[in-house]
Amino acid sequence: AAGVIQSPRHLIKEKRETATLKCYPIPRHDTVYWYQQGPGQDPQFLISFYEKMQSDKGSIPDRFSAQQFSDYHSELNMSSLELGDSALYFCASSLAGTNTGELFFGEGSRLTVL
Amino acid sequence: DAKTTQPTSMDCAEGRAANLPCNHSTISGNEYVYWYRQIHSQGPQYIIHGLKNNETNEMASLIITEDRKSSTLILPHATLRDTAVYYCIGPRNTDKLIFGTGTRLQVFP
Repeated sequence: AAGVIQSPRHLIKEKRETATLKCYPIPRHDTVYWYQQGPGQDPQFLISFYEKMQSDKGSIPDRFSAQQFSDYHSELNMSSLELGDSALYFCASSLAGTNTGELFFGEGSRLTVL
Repeated sequence: DAKTTQPTSMDCAEGRAANLPCNHSTISGNEYVYWYRQIHSQGPQYIIHGLKNNETNEMASLIITEDRKSSTLILPHATLRDTAVYYCIGPRNTDKLIFGTGTRLQVFP
């Protein structure tokens, strides 16, 4: 079965550069979530989208922005990168209204800021 | 903020049952308890969820106390591949998941 696809899997950037991460949800899923996981830390919720509209917002820095497109894929844009932005970024998708409330996670994108 | 409490770490011998406890004393009557796990640097994986009745699927069993203030995730025959961080999550005010500290389960040969 198709899973959540994230790209790129690995990304290396310099400080103050910009990075864009992409997420392709499971087909027919209408909700996308972004999480950030720093080294040795637990995943932290950043932001989510339902039907192309922002549905919830967590601890996402102002330097970051995200959107969900008409084909339901989502992009996380990160500007003025800092060393502390080095982390694993997970995307998850779900289908709103399902009984299980299960989120399906991708394999993550590892961002390294030098 | 996460509203569950779990032990930081646990060990389990391969082939034995792993019992992972979770306290969720603030959960209300219509809120589910969810369990996810994260194998090293992989995306979190759904395991099971429950409301008040015990639940079982191909991965695990979930035992919820009658007062719903705590639950136990049971992996009946732990394998080395079950070594992971296990997260008990609940309640969920919205669709998103809030991950707490979780329990780091080490399965040893």
